[in-house]
Amino acid sequence: QSVLTQPPSVSAAPGQKVTISCSGSSSNIGNNYGSWYQQLPGTAPKLLIYDNNKRPSEIPDRFSGSKSGTSATLAITGLQTGDEADYYCGAWDSSLSAFVFGTGTKVTVL
Amino acid sequence: QVQLVQSGAEVKKPGSSVEVSCTASGGTFSAYTITWVRQAPGQGLEWLGRIIVIFGTADYAQKFRGRAMITADESTRTVHLQLTSLKSDDTAVYYCARDYSAADGMVRWFDPWGQGTLVAVSS
Repeated sequence: QSVLTQPPSVSAAPGQKVTISCSGSSSNIGNNYGSWYQQLPGTAPKLLIYDNNKRPSEIPDRFSGSKSGTSATLAITGLQTGDEADYYCGAWDSSLSAFVFGTGTKVTVL
Repeated sequence: QVQLVQSGAEVKKPGSSVEVSCTASGGTFSAYTITWVRQAPGQGLEWLGRIIVIFGTADYAQKFRGRAMITADESTRTVHLQLTSLKSDDTAVYYCARDYSAADGMVRWFDPWGQGTLVAVSS
């Protein structure tokens, strides 16, 4: 059972913006760094955002991360058909002494 | 650039054990921490544990303690995950990934990931 809660799905038209929430607690998101991963169909996950809001150099700036309290948010602007994927948040949980992932969100481009 | 290449798919019987390998190329292998994550069919991601290669020390999620063992072989630049007493719900794709942890041991992120290894458990 995932410790971090995400909406099951979000959708928008090409060019629009979507946001994905990741709700946790003080033992994970609230006091530790969060990260986000994109999983395209049939492939391994790929790092999108680390340390709450930093992007690896190869990730376009259409992807951004933020954190407020015990929740994190991933925003995707200028939505493209190639962005259709599952997205997962994650963070270290100090109470569990384990890394925990979110429940995952499927992004659909209408 | 670090690349992680995993061993091939496995089919196992319930109660048996499986070993999945992850071989790294590029970079300084002894400086790595390698983590294992699995994904059951149609399900989300689940962290199993990790190994700090230079120390050879591993830690595991509570659920897998006593049943999973992660080891590293610096001579072959390979990390192994052994899972024992397999059950049908261990059927999953198992991924290795390079783990970036803070000095206090808390994992910050995973990058890159291996291509995944399917382990199917069936009688």
